[in-house]
Order: sequence, then C-alpha cells, then structure tokens
Amino acid sequence: AQSVTQLGSHVSVSEGALVLLRCNYSSSVPPYLFWYVQYPNQGLQLLLKYTSAATLVKGINGFEAEFKKSETSFHLTKPSAHMSDAAEYFCAVSDGDQGAQKLVFGQGTRLTINP
Amino acid sequence: GAVVSQHPSWVICKSGTSVKIECRSLDFQATTMFWYRQFPKQSLMLMATSNEGSKATYEQGVEKDKFLINHASLTLSTLTVTSAHPEDSSFYICSARLPGGPGEKLFFGSGTQLSVL
Repeated sequence: AQSVTQLGSHVSVSEGALVLLRCNYSSSVPPYLFWYVQYPNQGLQLLLKYTSAATLVKGINGFEAEFKKSETSFHLTKPSAHMSDAAEYFCAVSDGDQGAQKLVFGQGTRLTINP
Repeated sequence: GAVVSQHPSWVICKSGTSVKIECRSLDFQATTMFWYRQFPKQSLMLMATSNEGSKATYEQGVEKDKFLINHASLTLSTLTVTSAHPEDSSFYICSARLPGGPGEKLFFGSGTQLSVL
C-alpha cells in the first residue's frame, strides 16, 4: 500500500522568503509523485510531477521538487514566496504502472504568506 | 487546458433527503472519473472510480448504496448521496482523466460543499 505524509499542516513564511513544504512517501513500487495546489473554493491544480525521469522537477509558478529515493522524499520548494502562493498544497503518490488511476493524497499543508 | 465543471458548488439539504452532484468534462471525453471526499483540514479520500458505461468501483468502506455513481456518458458522471445524514456533510471533489498518461492528464472539478442539517 502506498502512503504520503506531509510534515506540517500549516507553514507560514514571509513574502520573498524560501518556501519549503515537506512530503515523504511510502511505496512498494517505483512511485509517480505529484504536487497539487488548491485555492479556496476551487479544485486541485497540478503543480508538478515526477515520473522516473529527472529527479529535480520544475513546475508552474516557480515551484520545483526533488525526488530523493534514499530519503523517500519529494519536498516542494520555491526560492521566493509571493502573496499569491497562499493556498493548500497536497502531495500525492500513485502506482508507476497505473499513473493517475488512483492517487493517494497527503494530509495537505496550508501555506500562509506574511507581507 | 481541459476543464471539469462540478455542480452545484454548495448545497444544504435536510437529513433524509438525497442530493445529486454533477461532474462534467467540458472539452474532452473522460472514460474515467474519480470521486473524492475531503473533510475539513484533512486530505482527499478516494471514494470511487467511475467508468463510462459500467458500474463504479468503490473503495473499501464506502457504501455503494448510499453513494450512487452514474457515468452515463463520456462527459458526465453524477454522485448521488442518498438519505443524507449530518455525517455525510463534507467537501466532494470529482476528477476526470484524459487518457494518455499520469498526473497532468487528471483534471479536478471545483468541488461541492455539502451540508446536511
């Protein structure tokens, strides 16, 4: 069975500061890993994904994530936070051979940006 | 990009009544749609996988008779919460899969907040 753990349900950073959202996964097969963002009263939007190609994945809005197999981690980072980054972020994992058929989500991390 | 429309965005109903939530893929055909449930400050939990023209596949612990799913066309899946009770109050989100790959081919609706009084 696959699982995802997001460390920290709430992260608060100042505008312009580094954003680091942590995600650790558990999977018995090579995983596909995803980061989604959810703005209030909206659905989820894909930020980026890892599918066994490059371990450093660049996504939209300046976000990137690095797959570290030895640490079973897929942390999300952004060098400089913007007010518009305030949202809920979800890390997710799926079976390599099923792709997006079944996503297992983490608990989510609410990112707050302080002016 | 592809758009998934979910309706209604919020609904309040009395205990014992049924509520239908629609999920439409507006500009692509989705042979597979997924229904998730999200409790406050918690993650999305997959409820069921909806396949066009066939019965939905429910996750363990999800009552199929309570959460009726119909995927009658390639662009529409519906979730009906039957005989709703206050514990069914939650945020329900659908997603539609555009065939051809993982992750980026999965598009989410904006969700439906259900409140059962």
